[in-house]
Amino acid sequence: GEDVEQSLFLSVREGDSSVINCTYTDSSSTYLYWYKQEPGAGLQLLTYIFSNMDMKQDQRLTVLLNKKDKHLSLRIADTQTGDSAIYFCAERGLTGGGNKLTFGTGTQLKVEL
Amino acid sequence: GAVVSQHPSWVICKSGTSVKIECRSLDFQATTMFWYRQFPKQSLMLMATSNEGSKATYEQGVEKDKFLINHASLTLSTLTVTSAHPEDSSFYICSAKAQNNQPQHFGDGTRLSIL
Repeated sequence: GEDVEQSLFLSVREGDSSVINCTYTDSSSTYLYWYKQEPGAGLQLLTYIFSNMDMKQDQRLTVLLNKKDKHLSLRIADTQTGDSAIYFCAERGLTGGGNKLTFGTGTQLKVEL
Repeated sequence: GAVVSQHPSWVICKSGTSVKIECRSLDFQATTMFWYRQFPKQSLMLMATSNEGSKATYEQGVEKDKFLINHASLTLSTLTVTSAHPEDSSFYICSAKAQNNQPQHFGDGTRLSIL
């Protein structure tokens, strides 16, 4: 099956930029997503990018996509303590009628003062 | 917009009980809803996909007689865990999607604890 990999943990200081990386194997990916999960809660959609785009910026969030290398990143500018959470990348390919998401393992972001 | 409400948020019950979890899309019509299970410190595992008015499609290894899914309307899907046992204890999360190219929006999850 398709695979999505992320590093497990990232620690940054408040005010610095955070970069969370994700690699995937599905060459038929159509959309790629970033979700945020706080403790005991569901997933909050942060942003997503269509596979024919290289970059998308939304306020403090910048998504970069290198389709050739199947590499996706999420940059959070001016990281705040409220950004501490688990971040999941997910890709949507053509399996399951194009409806299914394959999630990464999640990256726990810890923001320190 | 795109709010998904999941209820209840936490359930504790005795072994052998059946538990129903509801997932509602509050401000959009969800043609497709999804049910996931998440173990501690792990990613989401898709259990089943349901389209309004048709039978759910279950992932390999998920018992459809154990996890009953009903998607009777464009705004409501339910997951019933039948005759629950301690090994069914987990965090269950639903998501809903409008038309084809729209992203999935997630509920806040239900923590199920079976004693």
